[in-house]
Amino acid sequence: EIVLTQSPGTLSLSPGERATLSCRASQSVSSSYLAWYQQKPGQAPRLLIYGASSRATGIPDRFSGSGSGTDFTLTISRLEPEDFAVYYCQQYGSSSWTFGQGTKVEIK
Amino acid sequence: QITLKESGPTLVKPTQTLTLTCTFSGFSLSTSGVGVGWIRQPPGKALEWLALIYWDDDKRYSPSLKSRLTITKDTSKNQVVLTMTNMDPVDTATYYCAHVSAAGTLDPWGQGTLVTVSS
Repeated sequence: EIVLTQSPGTLSLSPGERATLSCRASQSVSSSYLAWYQQKPGQAPRLLIYGASSRATGIPDRFSGSGSGTDFTLTISRLEPEDFAVYYCQQYGSSSWTFGQGTKVEIK
Repeated sequence: QITLKESGPTLVKPTQTLTLTCTFSGFSLSTSGVGVGWIRQPPGKALEWLALIYWDDDKRYSPSLKSRLTITKDTSKNQVVLTMTNMDPVDTATYYCAHVSAAGTLDPWGQGTLVTVSS
C-alpha cells in the first residue's frame, strides 16, 4: 500500500499570500495518478486537481499542481478568504487507493 | 448533473453489521470506466478510502479492512451498497460515497452520513 505523507500539518498564512503544500509518496505513483481535494468544515471534499497537474472543472487558476514519481506539490498562488480549509492528496494509481493525512491552511 | 446520497443507520451497536446505501443520479453504472467509491472520516481525522466498484463489477478494497467489507451494485436501481461487519467504536465516522470518473477521480461526493458505534 502506498503511504502518502503531507507537510506541513498546518500552514498559517494571510490572505494574498502564496501557499505551498507537499505530498510525498512511499513509492512511485503510477502515471501521476495523484489528486488533491479541498475540504471545508461540515462539507464533503471537493476535487481540485487530478493527474497531478490538471485542474478539475470550475477550479480557479490560482490552484496549481505539480510533481511526479514520489513528490507532488499543490500551490495556491494568492490565498482568497474561501481557500482556508484542509487539503488532502490521494493516489489512485494502484489497486489500493490512499489519502494523505491532510494539511490545514489557516488564517494567520 | 451527478448527485449521490448516502443512507443507512446513524447508530449501530458493537459487533453488528453496518449496511450503507449510496443512491445516485446523473450517471449509469453500466457506462464503461465509471465506478462508485466509499470513503470514511472519523470525527476530526483524515479521510480513509474503503472500497470501490466499477461498471464491470470489478471490486477493490482497502487491505486493512478487506475482511470486513463487501461492496455490491444494483445498476437498475442506481444504487451501491457497502456492508461492514463486526463494527467497533473506532468505526465511528462520516461515511461518504463518491462517483469515480473515467479519469479515476472521486468527483463529486455525496454529503456523507455520520455513523456512531456505541452500545
